[in-house]
Formats: sequence, C-alpha cells, structure tokens
Amino acid sequence: SQQGEEDPQALSIQEGENATMNCSYKTSINNLQWYRQNSGRGLVHLILIRSNEREKHSGRLRVTLDTSKKSSSLLITASRAADTASYFCATAALGGGSQGNLIFGKGTKLSVKP
Amino acid sequence: ETGVTQTPRHLVMGMTNKKSLKCEQHLGHNAMYWYKQSAKKPLELMFVYNFKEQTENNSVPSRFSPECPNSSHLFLHLHTLQPEDSALYLCASSQDRASSGNTIYFGEGSWLTVV
Repeated sequence: SQQGEEDPQALSIQEGENATMNCSYKTSINNLQWYRQNSGRGLVHLILIRSNEREKHSGRLRVTLDTSKKSSSLLITASRAADTASYFCATAALGGGSQGNLIFGKGTKLSVKP
Repeated sequence: ETGVTQTPRHLVMGMTNKKSLKCEQHLGHNAMYWYKQSAKKPLELMFVYNFKEQTENNSVPSRFSPECPNSSHLFLHLHTLQPEDSALYLCASSQDRASSGNTIYFGEGSWLTVV
C-alpha cells in the first residue's frame, strides 16, 4: 500500500509555538500533498510538493520531502488557535491506473491552545 | 466554498431504505471521487470517475451504487445499508488525475447515520 502514515496521531501545543507533523509512505510517488480538515468538514488543500522538490513554503507552512527516506514533514510556524484541525498527508503514486489516485493517511490531530 | 457542493449534509436512514447522496462541482474538472471517512480509520477511496467513466471501484459493496450522468454531477445511491456504513461521505473533484500533480477539491461531506 502507498498509504501515508502521519506522526504523531495527536499534538497539543500553545499558541505561538511551532507544530511539526511527519508523514511516511511506502512506494515511489509522483507528488505528496498536505490537507487540513476542521472537525466534521471537508478537507482543504494546503500544499503540494513534487518528487523532485525538497522543500516548499506557503505563508506559515513549510513542507519538506525526503524521497530517499520516503518521508515528509509539515511545519506550521507561530501557530494560532485557528490552526486547530486534523492534518493529512496524501500521496499519488507513479504510474497510471489505480496508482494515480490520491491515498490519505490517518491524520494528525492538532490542538492549539490560546 | 470550494466549488464542490454536497447534499444532503446530514442523512439518517433505516437499513431497508433507499436514499441518494448528490455531489455537484462547478470547477470544470474531469475527475470526481467518493471517499468514506469513518472514525479512527484513514480516508477510504471508494469510487473514481474520469470523464464520466468509472475508473476505480475500490472493492466497495454493491449496496453502494455510484452514478455519474455528466462530468459535473456525481451520485451515490444507497440501499440496504448496515449500521457500520455510518460515516462521513466526501465527494471531491480534480482537473485530472492526482498523479498528474492535480490537487483535489472536497465538498463539505454528507453525514450518514444508518439506524
């Protein structure tokens, strides 16, 4: 399975601190994406990193990708209470057919306390 | 507002009922998806449609029946469901396949409770 696995499953921090979430996967990928989900709502795309990229930034988000270790990390700097949500990594494998679909991990539940 | 609209947002149905979930995307995308999200389980890909053709059926029981009449609409027909089918059902769309570097846009989901 190409499924990503996030670590930790849950993370609780104070406002202003940085939050780091990790994702590991099993197969060669075309790209890796991070999504956010507020409780009971749909998922919202945050950032996509391609297999030939090592780091990407978007506002307070920083994503790294290490294809040799088959891992990625999402860093949220200067966290805010509004960042409280579940964060998912999703991988799209190389190749066509069913391997081209986006497969999600179980997510990291982030709680940012005011 | 992501451009993907799901109705109803909440549905309670008995095990002998027949109901349908509806999804509409206003983004001009070619691929549409149904995902199932249960508590403490990863998001499960159920069905994929690309240019109205079903390209993936991820071993989903036949009591779930998808329909894609055109590239903007996707339905999930439900009949004789089980209580363990209670979950959040998410519809999504993307321009093309995810492996092509496309991001997926999700609807807000339909909460289904089977009693």
